[in-house]
Amino acid sequence: AQSVTQLDSHVSVSEGTPVLLRCNYSSSYSPSLFWYVQHPNKGLQLLLKYTSAATLVKGINGFEAEFKKSETSFHLTKPSAHMSDAAEYFCVVIGNEKLTFGTGTRLTIIP
Amino acid sequence: ETGVTQTPRHLVMGMTNKKSLKCEQHLGHNAMYWYKQSAKKPLELMFVYNFKEQTENNSVPSRFSPECPNSSHLFLHLHTLQPEDSALYLCASSHTGPTEAFFGQGTRLTVV
Repeated sequence: AQSVTQLDSHVSVSEGTPVLLRCNYSSSYSPSLFWYVQHPNKGLQLLLKYTSAATLVKGINGFEAEFKKSETSFHLTKPSAHMSDAAEYFCVVIGNEKLTFGTGTRLTIIP
Repeated sequence: ETGVTQTPRHLVMGMTNKKSLKCEQHLGHNAMYWYKQSAKKPLELMFVYNFKEQTENNSVPSRFSPECPNSSHLFLHLHTLQPEDSALYLCASSHTGPTEAFFGQGTRLTVV
């Protein structure tokens, strides 16, 4: 079985400050992990992915995530938030099954 | 642009209407998916097709009828829907096996 938990349903940060979106996973197999972003009334766009190579993964738009097996975490970070980062973010895990989505974290950027 | 195209982008239909959603991908993928995204609810996987064969139906009501004529096209036929079926319907595709999926922009469906 596999599952993913996004620890915050809503995160607000000021423009120019760091972003941290938290994700914990559970999987019986060596997982692949992804972060997707969804802007209002749009589909989901792949932000970055971890597939058992380097544990620190860099994605688009300055985002990165670190796979920590000991903590079963895959948190998403960005050093400096931009207004265009306001969106919903989904953490996704694949073990040996289909994609399992977290419930999403809505990121609000305060000007 | 992800390579997955959904039409129409917006659809308003009455409860007695019949309509279809279309999804097309040009990524060479063999798996295609329908997801439902409702406000304040997790993303729900509805159907999975692998090599044109339906491999998963997550207890979706029969008023939703999928069709996959080939690996590049996926349809969702709708009839006698209910207001609670109003949602964003997302199509996705991927290579077969556990791997990332690529999503279309979605169809915003409103049932009146």
